[in-house]
Amino acid sequence: GDSVTQMEGPVTLSEEAFLTINCTYTATGYPSLFWYVQYPGEGLQLLLKATKADDKGSNKGFEATYRKETTSFHLEKGSVQVSDSAVYFCALKSNFGNEKLTFGTGTRLTIIP
Amino acid sequence: DTEVTQTPKHLVMGMTNKKSLKCEQHMGHRAMYWYKQKAKKPPELMFVYSYEKLSINESVPSRFSPECPNSSLLNLHLHALQPEDSALYLCASQDLFGQGAKRGTEAFFGQGTRLTVV
Repeated sequence: GDSVTQMEGPVTLSEEAFLTINCTYTATGYPSLFWYVQYPGEGLQLLLKATKADDKGSNKGFEATYRKETTSFHLEKGSVQVSDSAVYFCALKSNFGNEKLTFGTGTRLTIIP
Repeated sequence: DTEVTQTPKHLVMGMTNKKSLKCEQHMGHRAMYWYKQKAKKPPELMFVYSYEKLSINESVPSRFSPECPNSSLLNLHLHALQPEDSALYLCASQDLFGQGAKRGTEAFFGQGTRLTVV
């Protein structure tokens, strides 16, 4: 079945540091890939997505590239801010008309001033 | 309007109580979901409704009873819950095309209901 493996956290960085959160997946065919963010006490918000190989999703300075050859969708940001502190979830959705989202375990990110 | 609205935001209930969680969206999405999220864990899928019909039940105990009265509303009826059912309950919705989800479309999540069972 489909699965998502995400970098273990928690991750603590200083403000303006470079961020990478690794995400790899196992799925048949060509899934759509997503990064969701969850701020404390809130629901999930879509951060970015990519629907086919070599697509790059980007939003709020975050980027992730759909790499089919390495089955990866790593999240990056060049200069993090305190306001980026949150839990980040990598997720995939099969392209077989399945409505299910498969989530990774989540990575808690804390940015210190 | 890209919002999924959940009420109430917080709920404390006893093990003998009956309560309901509500979810509403006006994006015209025809798939709606209930997820359960425990602390420091990812959301776990409970139920999926497609075109107002229950399409997925992830072996959820019968003390949780979903209902989809129309294409905009989703309820989760709770009865005789246990303390271990305390969690954040998230509703989500998604666009559908034909028999399945449109490729690449994302699920929109509500803010959740934080449920405490005492």
